[in-house]
Amino acid sequence: KAGVTQTPRYLIKTRGQQVTLSCSPISGHRSVSWYQQTPGQGLQFLFEYFSETQRNKGNFPGRFSGRQFSNSRSEMNVSTLELGDSALYLCASSLDPAGVVDTQYFGPGTRLTVL
Amino acid sequence: SQQGEEDPQALSIQEGENATMNCSYKTSINNLQWYRQNSGRGLVHLILIRSNEREKHSGRLRVTLDTSKKSSSLLITASRAADTASYFCALTAYNQGGKLIFGQGTELSVKP
Repeated sequence: KAGVTQTPRYLIKTRGQQVTLSCSPISGHRSVSWYQQTPGQGLQFLFEYFSETQRNKGNFPGRFSGRQFSNSRSEMNVSTLELGDSALYLCASSLDPAGVVDTQYFGPGTRLTVL
Repeated sequence: SQQGEEDPQALSIQEGENATMNCSYKTSINNLQWYRQNSGRGLVHLILIRSNEREKHSGRLRVTLDTSKKSSSLLITASRAADTASYFCALTAYNQGGKLIFGQGTELSVKP
């Protein structure tokens, strides 16, 4: 099976712009989660989706939003970009809807740089 | 904080030696997973251990879990230069679905 794929892999934006990142989970996986990784804050949970519904949300401002489509693909959007949004954004998918006892598999990430 | 805490933050060893990394946490967990990350790339899953398990093995990897002490350890035996990476523990807390709470990671350097 193909792994989790994320596009684009690299992105450069300027402050104030918005950006959309895409994630395609492993075939058959219905749960998708997003994480932000920065040197200062480490890996932080953004949100989790299952069957097009947001099941869980981390402590990020409303500028960060996401959605999941009927084919389980997910997108996350960041509006009004700030310098501090520069990070590696990672997507993970899992088979179990709650991810409670199941492995979460990560994609290669999207490296976002905000200038 | 529910965040996992890893110890040591950095570890440098010679090829062939064993490497041990520890993870402590503060909340009740459903399971704990260990991941490897090379140079800011994606996370590679290593092992998942459930809260009712005490030890798991996968190749050269051994993970232990002590829920009474709220701690886990990852042992890599007979390390190789290719094991050089950052290692993270990630727990799913009780009643928080699939949300992973990560430790800050251990940077392992294996010198040939």
